[in-house]
Amino acid sequence: DAGVIQSPRHEVTEMGQEVTLRCKPISGHNSLFWYRQTMMRGLELLIYFNNNVPIDDSGMPEDRFSAKMPNASFSTLKIQPSEPRDSAVYFCASSPHLAGFNEQYFGPGTRLTVT
Amino acid sequence: TQLLEQSPQFLSIQEGENLTVYCNSSSVFSSLQWYRQEPGEGPVLLVTVVTGGEVKKLKRLTFQFGDARKDSSLHITAAQPGDTGLYLCAAKDQAGTALIFGKGTTLSVSS
Repeated sequence: DAGVIQSPRHEVTEMGQEVTLRCKPISGHNSLFWYRQTMMRGLELLIYFNNNVPIDDSGMPEDRFSAKMPNASFSTLKIQPSEPRDSAVYFCASSPHLAGFNEQYFGPGTRLTVT
Repeated sequence: TQLLEQSPQFLSIQEGENLTVYCNSSSVFSSLQWYRQEPGEGPVLLVTVVTGGEVKKLKRLTFQFGDARKDSSLHITAAQPGDTGLYLCAAKDQAGTALIFGKGTTLSVSS
């Protein structure tokens, strides 16, 4: 079975541009998570969904960030406008369900560089 | 605020050596997970520990959950270059839904 799929794997953009990151969770998983990883701050949870509904977006740093999950097999994280401090690796993860151990399966990440 | 403190932050050893890394908190957790992240990839789940005092083994890796369920350790016997990576511990937050992650221990094993 395919794991979590993310695209693009690498994105280089100029400050002020809109960036859209995409994620396809593992089929049958009910929960989806977006994380950001930097050397300084480690792995930070941005937002998560359960059954396509956003549950907690308190980790989203600013209004420039938004996330959607229109259906069970697709989610996007958008940054508009992007800034150099947004440069990081963004991971999407899915989990069979929030209850229980909530063991998560991560995608390979999108490395974002904003110049 | 729940925090998971991992130590050491960095560890560089020679092939064949043994090592232990730690994950500590002042909070009690119902379960705790360990992940390994290799360069350029996402974290991969290694194990979940649930019971205080529980010990789980995965080949040369031994995981222990503290009796009070506030801390955990990962011991690697006879480390190999393939063990190189970032080791992260994670536990459910107070709401019992999302995971919180420690900042990890970066392990480098040279041959």
